[in-house]
Amino acid sequence: DAGVIQSPRHEVTEMGQEVTLRCKPISGHDYLFWYRQTMMRGLELLIYFNNNVPIDDSGMPEDRFSAKMPNASFSTLKIQPSEPRDSAVYFCASRRTGNTIYFGEGSWLTVV
Amino acid sequence: KNEVEQSPQNLTAQEGEFITINCSYSVGISALHWLQQHPGGGIVSLFMLSSGKKKHGRLIATINIQEKHSSLHITASHPRDSAVYICAVDGNQFYFGTGTSLTVIP
Repeated sequence: DAGVIQSPRHEVTEMGQEVTLRCKPISGHDYLFWYRQTMMRGLELLIYFNNNVPIDDSGMPEDRFSAKMPNASFSTLKIQPSEPRDSAVYFCASRRTGNTIYFGEGSWLTVV
Repeated sequence: KNEVEQSPQNLTAQEGEFITINCSYSVGISALHWLQQHPGGGIVSLFMLSSGKKKHGRLIATINIQEKHSSLHITASHPRDSAVYICAVDGNQFYFGTGTSLTVIP
């Protein structure tokens, strides 16, 4: 299995630009999670989906952040407009109910 | 309020030493996960356990559900074990500890 696939691996963008992060979960997994990791706050859950439906988006910082999962094999996390404080590593993870969680390699975002 | 507390935050050990990392949690859970993250790297699940003990190579994880406590042990530590170890509990969502940064010196 290819694992959870994220793109881009690294992105540097200017403040105010739109950023789109992409994730392909492991086939057959019914949960998908978006996390953000920073030195200050560690791993934070942003949003998670079950069977493509958003279940809990209370971790999404503000309206600048949005996430979609149009089908079982694809999800996006969008930041518009981006700000320097959004600089972090964004992880996508997936799991099958009751089983272990698998993380992607992360998308390293720098907003200058 | 942190649902998951890990200790120690930082740990330096000599190669060959026995290492213990502790995790306490305050919420009801269905399972507990130990994760490993190498510097600049992704996050890998080491163990998922809901009772008792699991062993994988030099790594051992235990959990005491009544005491809401888990430990991760590394026997005969090696420099390649240097990483951040994160405890995560599986309640109605995942709650993460802040991680233990382990450095094993040759």
